Amino acid sequence: GAGVSQSPSNKVTEKGKDVELRCDPISGHTALYWYRQRLGQGLEFLIYFQGNSAPDKSGLPSDRFSAERTGESVSTLTIQRTQQEDSAVYLCASSPGVAGGRYQETQYFGPGTRLLVL
Amino acid sequence: RKEVEQDPGPFNVPEGATVAFNCTYSNSASQSFFWYRQDCRKEPKLLMSVYSSGNEDGRFTAQLNRASQYISLLIRDSKLSDSATYLCVVIMYSGGGADGLTFGKGTHLIIQP
Repeated sequence: GAGVSQSPSNKVTEKGKDVELRCDPISGHTALYWYRQRLGQGLEFLIYFQGNSAPDKSGLPSDRFSAERTGESVSTLTIQRTQQEDSAVYLCASSPGVAGGRYQETQYFGPGTRLLVL
Repeated sequence: RKEVEQDPGPFNVPEGATVAFNCTYSNSASQSFFWYRQDCRKEPKLLMSVYSSGNEDGRFTAQLNRASQYISLLIRDSKLSDSATYLCVVIMYSGGGADGLTFGKGTHLIIQP
């Protein structure tokens, strides 16, 4: 079956422009995560959606970052007024969430969007 | 987000050797643990879950030590293809879902011929 997909795969933008990154999770997965990974660094949690609950936005680094999710499907991560330090790979992951009465938190990652801010 | 620590390495290991590394976590309420593998410029992929009783998958063995708050990964008969960064994941749950999910920064493993 189809895995997590992300688009675009690569994005080059100029400082100060807004960008929108898209994630299509695995069908039926109720949980969706966004991470940022700078070159040679670990994963940095950004935001987590679980079903219809209020998202956990505790990882968003500034108010320039926002994310939306439509129901249990597509999510978009928006970065406004991009800065050079926003250059990174943005990874999306989904997991089944609650299944069979218990949480199934094994995450399946998309290939990421490589963002370069000039 | 609670702290999860890993030795970044790199661990340089000859092919065929056994290698092990740990991941420590600071929150004793953590409930689920995983090891992920990430190849260079690729996304992380699940390697194995870590169960309380320890579990084995081929050449890979994962163990959990709740008393000392660490998980471990042991790789036997290492292959060149095992070269990657190994990430641990620690999760806590609340009534609403995963209350805290933290990735370690990863341990870089290089298997040398």
